[in-house]
Amino acid sequence: QSALTQPRSVSGSPGQSVTIPCTGTSSDVGGYNYVSWYQQHPGKAPKLMIYDVTKRPSGVPDRFSGSKSGNTASLTISGLQAEDEADYYCCSYAGKYTYVFGIGTKVTVL
Amino acid sequence: QVQLQESGPGLVKPSETLSLTCTVSGGSISGYYWSWIRQPPGKGLEWIGYIYSSGSAYYDPSLESRVAISVDTSKSQFSLTLRSVTPADTAVYYCARGKPSLTGVVYWGQGILATVSS
Repeated sequence: QSALTQPRSVSGSPGQSVTIPCTGTSSDVGGYNYVSWYQQHPGKAPKLMIYDVTKRPSGVPDRFSGSKSGNTASLTISGLQAEDEADYYCCSYAGKYTYVFGIGTKVTVL
Repeated sequence: QVQLQESGPGLVKPSETLSLTCTVSGGSISGYYWSWIRQPPGKGLEWIGYIYSSGSAYYDPSLESRVAISVDTSKSQFSLTLRSVTPADTAVYYCARGKPSLTGVVYWGQGILATVSS
């Protein structure tokens, strides 16, 4: 299975919104409502931001939201803040008890 | 608070076997799924596999012929074995509780760098 496609980088000014697409196939993103998103700051372990496409774990600000249409899932960060600057990875169930990550997107706050 | 800690050698020679252990504290190892995820230097996350506390394990198809994950509930540990390693297996290896999606992973170890080099 191939890694899910994400843009290498996105950027926005404080207060703006940015959206990160994650494109797969009907065998992964499009076939199941099991997409998660992780935030990773340099040198740190990833942090779960969204699971099951749209759900936020306890403690994650509601500025972070997830959605899916067809074979593409998206993470939207509203009201961008300096601490949101990090790498973001999507992950999808890919059938037969397997999972696949996206290539990662670097979010820069201008 | 659940805590996970990876341990194992930081340097492995090519063609040899990489063995890592994850020790779980602050919670039970029983009744949960436990994953291994790696990240080559400067690159993205890669799912390796996961195991349920009862012992059922599932792996990434590209690694399946070389990898094994086991669990020892009496020691609150689970382990990763990767055979016939090459420099491409050099990565930070994370242990984690849960599956990468389908509820996702909340608890992570700090990660351990394993370098494959002669």
